[in-house]
Amino acid sequence: EAGVVQSPRYKIIEKKQPVAFWCNPISGHNTLYWYLQNLGQGPELLIRYENEEAVDDSQLPKDRFSAERLKGVDSTLKIQPAELGDSAVYLCASSSGPDTQYFGPGTRLTVL
Amino acid sequence: KQEVTQIPAALSVPEGENLVLNCSFTDSAIYNLQWFRQDPGKGLTSLLLIQSSQREQTSGRLNASLDKSSGRSTLYIAASQPGDSATYLCAVLSGSARQLTFGSGTQLTVLP
Repeated sequence: EAGVVQSPRYKIIEKKQPVAFWCNPISGHNTLYWYLQNLGQGPELLIRYENEEAVDDSQLPKDRFSAERLKGVDSTLKIQPAELGDSAVYLCASSSGPDTQYFGPGTRLTVL
Repeated sequence: KQEVTQIPAALSVPEGENLVLNCSFTDSAIYNLQWFRQDPGKGLTSLLLIQSSQREQTSGRLNASLDKSSGRSTLYIAASQPGDSATYLCAVLSGSARQLTFGSGTQLTVLP
């Protein structure tokens, strides 16, 4: 069974540019999560989807970040415009129940 | 708000040593606690999950204990190997939103 797929794996952009990350969860997993992981820190939740619905987006900086999960499968996280402080790893995870989340390899973003 | 602390932040040991990683959390009302492993540039791999009603879980050379009342967990690694070198993250599932809160991790280096 394929795991959580994320692309791109690495992205380097200049500040003020837009950037988008894509996530394909494990087949059949209704819940999808986006996390932000700063260097030397643990992941922090940005947004959680139950099917197409964003049920917890309290940690998402809505002035520059947006996310969507069309048809309850793949999801895209966008930053526009990117700032230097957005340099981090963006992790996607999925689950079929409340207990265990399966993580993708992440996208490492560098903003210059 | 749940907070998770991991001590030490980094640990270097010679091959063959037994070692203990520590995790503490502020709110004892948790559903479960997980230990994850993260290799450089990779996502998170779940090692052990302890439900709130359990005291410990074992997998191979790994043993994790949970003392919910005191807000503590330990991960014991027996006979460490260079392949165990990675960052180990502790996370607790808690709150009405069943949110996963991570510690900052312990970076383990096992020297051959």
